[in-house]
Amino acid sequence: GAVVSQHPSWVICKSGTSVKIECRSLDFQATTMFWYRQFPKQSLMLMATSNEGSKATYEQGVEKDKFLINHASLTLSTLTVTSAHPEDSSFYICSARDPRQGGTDTQYFGPGTRLTVL
Amino acid sequence: SQKIEQNSEALNIQEGKTATLTCNYTNYSPAYLQWYRQDPGRGPVFLLLIRENEKEKRKERLKVTFDTTLKQSLFHITASQPADSATYLCALEAAWNYGQNFVFGPGTRLSVLP
Repeated sequence: GAVVSQHPSWVICKSGTSVKIECRSLDFQATTMFWYRQFPKQSLMLMATSNEGSKATYEQGVEKDKFLINHASLTLSTLTVTSAHPEDSSFYICSARDPRQGGTDTQYFGPGTRLTVL
Repeated sequence: SQKIEQNSEALNIQEGKTATLTCNYTNYSPAYLQWYRQDPGRGPVFLLLIRENEKEKRKERLKVTFDTTLKQSLFHITASQPADSATYLCALEAAWNYGQNFVFGPGTRLSVLP
């Protein structure tokens, strides 16, 4: 099956610093990847859709200048949380569609990245 | 407004029984409805997908039904085991916004007691 990895799995940083999270599709090419955020005991909230070779599409209320997304290749998307603050502490999860599924919309999720901003 | 609801935040059942989880939606016309399992601190794992023109889907001990008239999907786990304890999420994608609008329900935390 399709495998999506994320790095790092957890990160602790000081307030005001920037943190980069990588999302990779390991055995397939993904023209579209998705970034979600999940707060404790809450469901996943879509932040943005990352498109290879073009600008990301952000959901309403998500600051694009704060959450920078780069989808530079068909297997890698990065999310950079700039000038992180404690309220940005959350579980960030990426996902990708596997085009080999042909007509279905199953998303394969990475293991998530736990961000803690002190 | 558009909304997805899952029957309860938490559900406890005895091992061996059938767990039934409910997903209701309003003001959506989903092309697909999917069920995922999420363990604490992990990303969701895909379980089953059911299309709008399908009534039922099965996979081993799992069964999903989809009633577009009631705007409801039921997710059943038969012969439940403690290892089935996890949070189960339903998610749908609207046909009108294909590829752009994938929305998750709040999830139901299932505990199967030995």
